[in-house]
Amino acid sequence: EAQVTQNPRYLITVTGKKLTVTCSQNMNHEYMSWYRQDPGLGLRQIYYSMNVEVTDKGDVPEGYKVSRKEKRNFPLILESPSPNQTSLYFCASRGSNSGLTFGTQYFGPGTRLLVL
Amino acid sequence: KQEVTQIPAALSVPEGENLVLNCSFTDSAIYNLQWFRQDPGKGLTSLLLIQSSQREQTSGRLNASLDKSSGRSTLYIAASQPGDSATYLCAVVYSGGYQKVTFGTGTKLQVIP
Repeated sequence: EAQVTQNPRYLITVTGKKLTVTCSQNMNHEYMSWYRQDPGLGLRQIYYSMNVEVTDKGDVPEGYKVSRKEKRNFPLILESPSPNQTSLYFCASRGSNSGLTFGTQYFGPGTRLLVL
Repeated sequence: KQEVTQIPAALSVPEGENLVLNCSFTDSAIYNLQWFRQDPGKGLTSLLLIQSSQREQTSGRLNASLDKSSGRSTLYIAASQPGDSATYLCAVVYSGGYQKVTFGTGTKLQVIP
């Protein structure tokens, strides 16, 4: 089954404790992206990656890091989490090959993060 | 900076009614536009994708149109059902090498039985 998986799904942590949220896709997609969703602000792009070793900032990259060492994985790293990073996080992937699903973004189930 | 606006923010309709959701964007240099639905506490489900060269896409009771020149897309839902109740989001992908994504503010739809 084609899917985007995220782990963990729920996470409670404390300020300053480094954490990583993993994201993996099994569709051989080149493009992967991270978003955060906050009430009243909607979904905002944090970082995206056009391919392995190619990443770029979205609209809200401050406080986050990413890496793309393998095509299927795109982890989101919070080096020193702060309470304002409490949010619902989504990973997504998108293929660039032709076909009916060309360009369609597929989203993971989300990771709900609470930083105390 | 691309801004994407969805009007109305919330909509309540009786079952069976046809309805239109609107998505406006400020920069017409887009790669594609995608419509999603999101149920409370859940992830995003893709509904329709329109490439920049297309005018519309259809899937079942859903029809999405795109007018790049006016910076607008509409999602038409025919014969609405209570199961259509959700938040509907549009997402615009910029054209060019960077392909950043901007989401709209969303329309919360309630279909009353």
